[in-house]
Amino acid sequence: EVQLVESGGGVVQTGESLRLSCAISGFTFSDYWMTWVRQAPGKGLEWVASINVDGSEKYYVGSVRGRFTISRDNAKNSLYLQMRSVRGEDTAIYYCARDGHSHGVDFDYWGQGTLVTVSS
Amino acid sequence: QSVLTQPPSVSAAPGQKVTISCSGSSSNIGNNYVSWYQQLPGTAPKLLIYDNNERPSGIPDRFSGSKSGTSVTLGITGLQTGDEANYYCGTWDSILSAVIFGGGTKLTVL
Repeated sequence: EVQLVESGGGVVQTGESLRLSCAISGFTFSDYWMTWVRQAPGKGLEWVASINVDGSEKYYVGSVRGRFTISRDNAKNSLYLQMRSVRGEDTAIYYCARDGHSHGVDFDYWGQGTLVTVSS
Repeated sequence: QSVLTQPPSVSAAPGQKVTISCSGSSSNIGNNYVSWYQQLPGTAPKLLIYDNNERPSGIPDRFSGSKSGTSVTLGITGLQTGDEANYYCGTWDSILSAVIFGGGTKLTVL
């Protein structure tokens, strides 16, 4: 059974740092691109970052580029999101998701999410 | 405001059919594949449609996707109360170099 379990969320002060983790099981992690998607309270989905299978390619939405870093450890079946200089607008549920093996961009498995609240 | 435009809400009676539209441009929908997601209240999104019109295993054929030019449509037939959820379209935008989602459509089954 495919499972993605996020952790690391919580309350953080504006300007501080936080690292999110996503533990993967049930598939060969090193075969898949992985992605973080966030959802602000009561709002829609926003793509945050994606990483290729060996971590050599990383892509970010403009609002987090230079502040967030996506990474992975294939030996530990884990995906990470290092968040620095957080802002109020970073308050959201953060989901890790697996990129499906299809022609386009799609996310076929999602974790349950971890809530990050940025407090001033 | 999202680059992909979806109606904020749609509604229909149980057993009926509903369609949800998602409109974009040549830099996104027009030249890239689109996926659809269902998000039930308080849960993570779930992939419903990928590559414009393909269903993952386990997704009933009541759900369908279609594409025409720079717009896509999600169709749901035989509506059930359990289909009440928010639905999102998503794709790659070649100008933004980013994955983008529509603003979401709330489906109410009356």
